[in-house]
Amino acid sequence: GAGVSQTPSNKVTEKGKYVELRCDPISGHTALYWYRQSLGQGPEFLIYFQGTGAADDSGLPNDRFFAVRPEGSVSTLKIQRTERGDSAVYLCASSSWTVSSYNEQFFGPGTRLTVL
Amino acid sequence: LAKTTQPISMDSYEGQEVNITCSHNNIATNDYITWYQQFPSQGPRFIIQGYKTKVTNEVASLFIPADRKSSTLSLPRVSLSDTAVYYCLVGDTPQGGKLIFGQGTELSVKP
Repeated sequence: GAGVSQTPSNKVTEKGKYVELRCDPISGHTALYWYRQSLGQGPEFLIYFQGTGAADDSGLPNDRFFAVRPEGSVSTLKIQRTERGDSAVYLCASSSWTVSSYNEQFFGPGTRLTVL
Repeated sequence: LAKTTQPISMDSYEGQEVNITCSHNNIATNDYITWYQQFPSQGPRFIIQGYKTKVTNEVASLFIPADRKSSTLSLPRVSLSDTAVYYCLVGDTPQGGKLIFGQGTELSVKP
């Protein structure tokens, strides 16, 4: 079946611009996660949705970052007034959620964001 | 959250067994140990999870001593396609939740 997909695969923007990154999770997965990864580092948690609501947004670095998941499926990560330091690969993952077993996260290929 | 320490990099040759050890001295009673693998230009992929003793699946084995202050991921007979970064994660939610990644171990398998 289809895995997690992310669009665009690459995004180049100028400092100060607004960007939206989209994630299509695996069908039926109620949990959705956003991470970002800088070169040579492990992924860094940003936000986690359970259904439509953000269950944990403690990783969002500041109020320029915002994410939504209005229908409990597709999610959009929005970054306002982009800065050069926002350049990274933004990864999305989804998982089912069952109490009795480990719910592994399935990651998409990521969106590489470059802020000039 | 328990901090993990892994070697930054390791080299191996095809056909060898590779053991990657992760230290987590401050692991809590409720913490589980999970390993993910990441190939270049891809997102991480779940390999294995355990709480104590030994866990084995079709990809790897995970050895956890009684004090649980470390764990060892064992990859039998590696091939070139096992070249990747391997992350050890420790967390208290056996079902999942946010993942806290360290820097990982970059494994290079040579012919």
